[in-house]
Amino acid sequence: EDQVTQSPEALRLQEGESSSLNCSYTVSGLRGLFWYRQDPGKGPEFLFTLYSAGEEKEKERLKATLTKKESFLHITAPKPEDSATYLCAVHDQAGTALIFGKGTTLSVSS
Amino acid sequence: DSGVTQTPKHLITATGQRVTLRCSPRSGDLSVYWYQQSLDQGLQFLIQYYNGEERAKGNILERFSAQQFPDLHSELNLSSLELGDSALYFCASSVDSGQETQYFGPGTRLLVL
Repeated sequence: EDQVTQSPEALRLQEGESSSLNCSYTVSGLRGLFWYRQDPGKGPEFLFTLYSAGEEKEKERLKATLTKKESFLHITAPKPEDSATYLCAVHDQAGTALIFGKGTTLSVSS
Repeated sequence: DSGVTQTPKHLITATGQRVTLRCSPRSGDLSVYWYQQSLDQGLQFLIQYYNGEERAKGNILERFSAQQFPDLHSELNLSSLELGDSALYFCASSVDSGQETQYFGPGTRLLVL
């Protein structure tokens, strides 16, 4: 069964304290791994798509990496405005639906 | 702003009632997806439409149905509502029918009392 597991469930950081979020997946033939950011009561906001092991994408303080079994979202020198829930998802075997993890809720304090 | 619009933003109704949620995809996108997000289940795929036709089904209850119209907007109909149907309902759209990035709308928060 296709599955996505994110850890930790919650992460508290001080402003400027870098860290990483993990997303491990089991799927038959990866057809894309996606990172989204979600603020409370809002829709998921697209961040990155990764398709093959070794691929990396960067945007401001965020960098996403992909291996054959997991992906990491590295946050460098976070700011309070980076506080949100970060969701990881993969396409199902049909390449249609997104299968989401439960997310990591990040809180950054100044 | 993803370019995907959803109405209404909030909906409060009673058990046994029927409601309709509306979604307009990004300009040029042919696929529309519906997802349900509850506190205990996370984001769950319900159904996909591509250019007016149903393409894939997920964990969608028989009480729920959807359609996509010629102008590509989509509606999700929820009937015989139960307390457990209270959730956030999101629409997403993509250019084609698979393996591309899906862009999500702001959601409709449904509360069934």
